[in-house]
Amino acid sequence: SQQGEEDPQALSIQEGENATMNCSYKTSINNLQWYRQNSGRGLVHLILIRSNEREKHSGRLRVTLDTSKKSSSLLITASRAADTASYFCATDNYGQNFVFGPGTRLSVLP
Amino acid sequence: EAQVTQNPRYLITVTGKKLTVTCSQNMNHEYMSWYRQDPGLGLRQIYYSMNVEVTDKGDVPEGYKVSRKEKRNFPLILESPSPNQTSLYFCASSSPGTSSDTQYFGPGTRLTVL
Repeated sequence: SQQGEEDPQALSIQEGENATMNCSYKTSINNLQWYRQNSGRGLVHLILIRSNEREKHSGRLRVTLDTSKKSSSLLITASRAADTASYFCATDNYGQNFVFGPGTRLSVLP
Repeated sequence: EAQVTQNPRYLITVTGKKLTVTCSQNMNHEYMSWYRQDPGLGLRQIYYSMNVEVTDKGDVPEGYKVSRKEKRNFPLILESPSPNQTSLYFCASSSPGTSSDTQYFGPGTRLTVL
């Protein structure tokens, strides 16, 4: 399967700093999405980037996609304590099943 | 309010006792999916459905069944649950047409099989 893999597995930063998470995948994709999950709750969609896009912004979020390297990064700028959560990338293989990575646990310390 | 609902939210059962976890969405989404989440493994897709009466296996379908008789409902059936199916389960649905758009997730069902 086209397993997505996030890196790092865990990240601790101070409030106000930027947080960068990376995602790698194995096969061709239609799009890649990033989700956030607060402890034990459902996932919330953050941003979608299609395979023909290279960069996308949404508020304090910036996502890049490099299809040649099969990788994506999520940058959260000026982090806040409320950003503490797990972040997952998910790849969509042209209408087939979604595949999520194991996630990055982000802790933002006040 | 647009939402995906799951029931029950918490369930403790014993090995071999058939159970069903319901999932319903009110957004007229064609695509629905079930995931299980285990520590260190992220979310793994169990089954998905592109439309009514159309279902397909995900990455970990063994021990599970699904049905899609109506567009809004996508129940997950465990015919003979085993302890290795203890997990946190999520149902999700996405925008009409394809699976390529945002998935909306339910609140999760925490299942314990003794």
